[in-house]
Amino acid sequence: GENVEQHPSTLSVQEGDSAVIKCTYSDSASNYFPWYKQELGKRPQLIIDIRSNVGEKKDQRIAVTLNKTAKHFSLHITETQPEDSAVYFCAARRRTGGFKTIFGAGTRLFVKA
Amino acid sequence: DVKVTQSSRYLVKRTGEKVFLECVQDMDHENMFWYRQDPGLGLRLIYFSYDVKMKEKGDIPEGYSVSREKKERFSLILESASTNQTSMYLCASSSRAPNTEAFFGQGTRLTVV
Repeated sequence: GENVEQHPSTLSVQEGDSAVIKCTYSDSASNYFPWYKQELGKRPQLIIDIRSNVGEKKDQRIAVTLNKTAKHFSLHITETQPEDSAVYFCAARRRTGGFKTIFGAGTRLFVKA
Repeated sequence: DVKVTQSSRYLVKRTGEKVFLECVQDMDHENMFWYRQDPGLGLRLIYFSYDVKMKEKGDIPEGYSVSREKKERFSLILESASTNQTSMYLCASSSRAPNTEAFFGQGTRLTVV
């Protein structure tokens, strides 16, 4: 079946450094790739997304890249801050069949001050 | 402000009980989803619905059923609760429009004893 693999499961960086989280998807019908941030005790919330006809998207310190041929997409956070500490989930949503959205297992990011 | 509301934040049930988890959204979204969240496993899709009275199995439907009698409400049913169903349950909804995010409820932490 469809799945999304996410790496690493845990990431610890020093404040000010960059963080990169990588995901691979298997369903070739996927055409929308959102990233969610979940702070402790809170619900996941969208931070950035990318469509399959776009290779890269940036929003201030956050950027996402997509390699549709390789079925890879990545989240890049630059100049990390302690408030970036959270669990990050990548996801892949298919364009048909009920718009099923499959999530990765999550990456727990620690930003050390 | 968009709203996805789950009926309970915390729930404790006994093994063998029938359990109902309710989710209501006020955004007129066509798609609704139930996920369970477990440490190290991320968000796993249990069931989803893309229209009233329509439902499709996700990746882990065993032991669960769902009901969508009205567009705004999506119920998850544990027919006979077991201890391995102790988990955090998250409801989400999204529009049928392409490239749109899912909005999550606050989650229900279910403990089966």
